[in-house]
Amino acid sequence: EAGVAQSPRYKIIEKRQSVAFWCNPISGHATLYWYQQILGQGPKLLIQFQNNGVVDDSQLPKDRFSAERLKGVDSTLKIQPAKLEDSAVYLCASSSSDRAKNIQYFGAGTRLSVL
Amino acid sequence: AQKVTQAQTEISVVEKEDVTLDCVYETRDTTYYLFWYKQPPSGELVFLIRRNSFDEQNEISGRYSWNFQKSTSSFNFTITASQVVDSAVYFCALSEARNTDKLIFGTGTRLQVFP
Repeated sequence: EAGVAQSPRYKIIEKRQSVAFWCNPISGHATLYWYQQILGQGPKLLIQFQNNGVVDDSQLPKDRFSAERLKGVDSTLKIQPAKLEDSAVYLCASSSSDRAKNIQYFGAGTRLSVL
Repeated sequence: AQKVTQAQTEISVVEKEDVTLDCVYETRDTTYYLFWYKQPPSGELVFLIRRNSFDEQNEISGRYSWNFQKSTSSFNFTITASQVVDSAVYFCALSEARNTDKLIFGTGTRLQVFP
């Protein structure tokens, strides 16, 4: 079974530029998450989708971050404009809708450096 | 409030030594889940174990074992006879029954195993 796929693996941009990350979850997983992991910290949830609807985006900085999951499968996370403090690894995860199996499976992440 | 504390920032051991990673959690819920994830240098978080709050039995899986003690709010992870491939950052995480999808991560413990 294929895991969570993310691209690109690395991205370097200058502040005020825009950037987008892509995620393809495990096949059949209805729930998709985007996390931000700053160096030396644990992942922090940015947004959670259930199919193509947003369940929780309370920690998403909506003035510059946006995310979509139009067809309930792939998702993109965008930052516009980027700030220096956005430098982090952006992890995508997915899980089954079966509450008895609330295990999140993660991709390898996109490492963003904002200069 | 929910919180996960991993007081050990970094641990270094020599191959074949046993090592224990500590995790202390805080929650007001009586029903919750605890997790351990491994993050190797490649970046993805690899799921290791999930325990629910009603199951205090210790668990062993090969060289890995977990000790769950509700009395001290701890969920410690022991690697027996460590190997170089165990080198990674290990995260403990908590989710509460009212929102099992929301993982609260600790700050992680970096384990380095030297040959």
